[in-house]
Amino acid sequence: GAGVSQSPSNKVTEKGKDVELRCDPISGHTALYWYRQSLGQGLEFLIYFQGNSAPDKSGLPSDRFSAERTGGSVSTLTIQRTQQEDSAVYLCASTFTPGGANTIYFGEGSWLTVV
Amino acid sequence: AQRVTQPEKLLSVFKGAPVELKCNYSYSGSPELFWYVQYSRQRLQLLLRHISRESIKGFTADLNKGETSFHLKKPFAQEEDSAMYYCALSSGTYKYIFGTGTRLKVLA
Repeated sequence: GAGVSQSPSNKVTEKGKDVELRCDPISGHTALYWYRQSLGQGLEFLIYFQGNSAPDKSGLPSDRFSAERTGGSVSTLTIQRTQQEDSAVYLCASTFTPGGANTIYFGEGSWLTVV
Repeated sequence: AQRVTQPEKLLSVFKGAPVELKCNYSYSGSPELFWYVQYSRQRLQLLLRHISRESIKGFTADLNKGETSFHLKKPFAQEEDSAMYYCALSSGTYKYIFGTGTRLKVLA
């Protein structure tokens, strides 16, 4: 596609429910990132994929958070038993060659509200 | 530890006034630095990179290794510059570390 695509754009869920957020990176981009954006916290790194493997998942805040990537393309971020503090914008980004001076390209984000 | 600090959460300036958004970093190696911008209801996008030494939309940023800073500057602010600005550091192999962001408001 033309850009990184994320769905849903908005999600309101009840506390305790599970949610899945989807990211479709730019075609051919092997590196994929999930970040969390919240007021006052900036962009918080969650996980990095290279192909289908996740060599760095150090930013996942708890074991309620998990992510997978299949076919070297689409990625799903799953939050189990959501809590109110999970409310944030979840951003996905991708790039062809990570690191150095290479740019990463962001999706529009999934705005999650836990009530 | 690798860190990017943006000390100002909000910066308000009048149209036509100079703008400086501050960014300091902590990194033991040779960093690659970026400024990203997020306009209202739009995705986060690259504004400029240190390595390119370019001016985008009138903005420039100079890497000062002695002060470990990468401040973003524009001599004359425009209303359309109002946005959220994030400074970011690439740690070499794959990791991009972002600051907490500065909201710029340009007043008419």
